[in-house]
Amino acid sequence: RKEVEQDPGPFNVPEGATVAFNCTYSNSASQSFFWYRQDCRKEPKLLMSVYSSGNEDGRFTAQLNRASQYISLLIRDSKLSDSATYLCVVGTLGSGNTGKLIFGQGTTLQVKP
Amino acid sequence: EPEVTQTPSHQVTQMGQEVILRCVPISNHLYFYWYRQILGQKVEFLVSFYNNEISEKSEIFDDQFSVERPDGSNFTLKIRSTKLEDSAMYFCASKGAVEQYFGPGTRLTVL
Repeated sequence: RKEVEQDPGPFNVPEGATVAFNCTYSNSASQSFFWYRQDCRKEPKLLMSVYSSGNEDGRFTAQLNRASQYISLLIRDSKLSDSATYLCVVGTLGSGNTGKLIFGQGTTLQVKP
Repeated sequence: EPEVTQTPSHQVTQMGQEVILRCVPISNHLYFYWYRQILGQKVEFLVSFYNNEISEKSEIFDDQFSVERPDGSNFTLKIRSTKLEDSAMYFCASKGAVEQYFGPGTRLTVL
């Protein structure tokens, strides 16, 4: 089983649409959870951390369900500039207790006019 | 806004040659990392570094790889004898408390 699993997509949506991405992780000892965004051939950029209580940042809402080991990201009112690959990322303490990140394969979003 | 920087942006080398990839982490961060991403694949952890020593390394990080923090600002990844399969994007990251921030990457091409 993959450590972090995402639907690769692509998700093709019109501008203004609401789109949801899901992710599951296998290590129940995982400590921290994130969504990163990656544009073609660029570095991952932190979009938001994800907390059990759920959190929102403008048009973006993230949820974490530790019992189901499930993470979600909701994007409302999609913009053309939201087109990118969205990476579900899980942080573990690891043997060195320094929090290495485990990445999913990414979900590709294409927002069309 | 502070950011992680990396040089060079692109390195082309012959198989068997040594390469050194350089990173300047965010200045008040204490944890440093290298990741790599082979074209079309996911980002993979290579190594973490804290308090001037390796904290953890992945199976990918074999004896051909080494890391160093030669001074107070730089963090380097050395590949002693490059192989074709080392061709990838190499990202440096640094962390203060919880969140890791990534540099723009070095694209390594091994011919």
